[in-house]
Amino acid sequence: GAGVSQSPSNKVTEKGKDVELRCDPISGHTALYWYRQRLGQGLEFLIYFQGNSAPDKSGLPSDRFSAERTGESVSTLTIQRTQQEDSAVYLCASSSNPTGGGYTIYFGEGSWLTVV
Amino acid sequence: GNSVTQMEGPVTLSEEAFLTINCTYTATGYPSLFWYVQYPGEGLQLLLKATKADDKGSNKGFEATYRKETTSFHLEKGSVQVSDSAVYFCALKRGPDKLIFGTGTRLQVFP
Repeated sequence: GAGVSQSPSNKVTEKGKDVELRCDPISGHTALYWYRQRLGQGLEFLIYFQGNSAPDKSGLPSDRFSAERTGESVSTLTIQRTQQEDSAVYLCASSSNPTGGGYTIYFGEGSWLTVV
Repeated sequence: GNSVTQMEGPVTLSEEAFLTINCTYTATGYPSLFWYVQYPGEGLQLLLKATKADDKGSNKGFEATYRKETTSFHLEKGSVQVSDSAVYFCALKRGPDKLIFGTGTRLQVFP
C-alpha cells in the first residue's frame, strides 16, 4: 500500500478482554515500530523490529503486552487482560534503511483503544 | 542513554509572531535529528530532518539547525499562522537504534 495501514482504527473493549491491533507497514520497509500515545501526552516507545534482528522490547510496559512480526510484513500488537490505563492511541511506523542517515519514518493513523 | 528534551508547552502566540521551540539531545556518536508534527485529529508526519552537524532542515517555513556544540536542534519559524497550531515532537535516531521522541510541545496560534 501507499502508506502504513493500521486496523482497527477504533476499538472499544471491556476491561479484562484481550485485544489485537494490526499494522501493515509500507512494502519493503525493514524497520517497524509501535508507540503508544495517551490523551494529551507524548509518544511512549513500545517495541521495535528491525529485519531479522531480535526485537527491542524494552518499552513494553508489562507482560500483558506482546508483539509479533511476520518477516518484513505485518505486525500484531496484543494486549491481554486490558485495563483502563491501556486506553490510548497505538501508533505503528515503518522505515527503510534504518542504519543509514536521511531515511524517513512513516506513521500510520493509529488505532484508538478505549477500555471501559 | 540517548534522550531528547523539549521545552514544555503550550506555547501560545499571535499570528505572524516568531516561533522558537527548544530541543536538546543526549546521544553518543552522531544521531540524525527530526521534527515531527501532529495536527489536530491527524497522524504524525515528518516536518524536517538533519543528518549531520551544521545541517539545516527546512519545510513549510520552519527551520532547525543541527548544532553539535550545543547538542541542540531548535525549531524556528519567522511568522506563524493559525494553521501551524499543532503538537511538535523532536526526535533522534542513532544508527540502527530505535527512534526516540521528546514529550512534545503544543503550539497554539491565535488570530
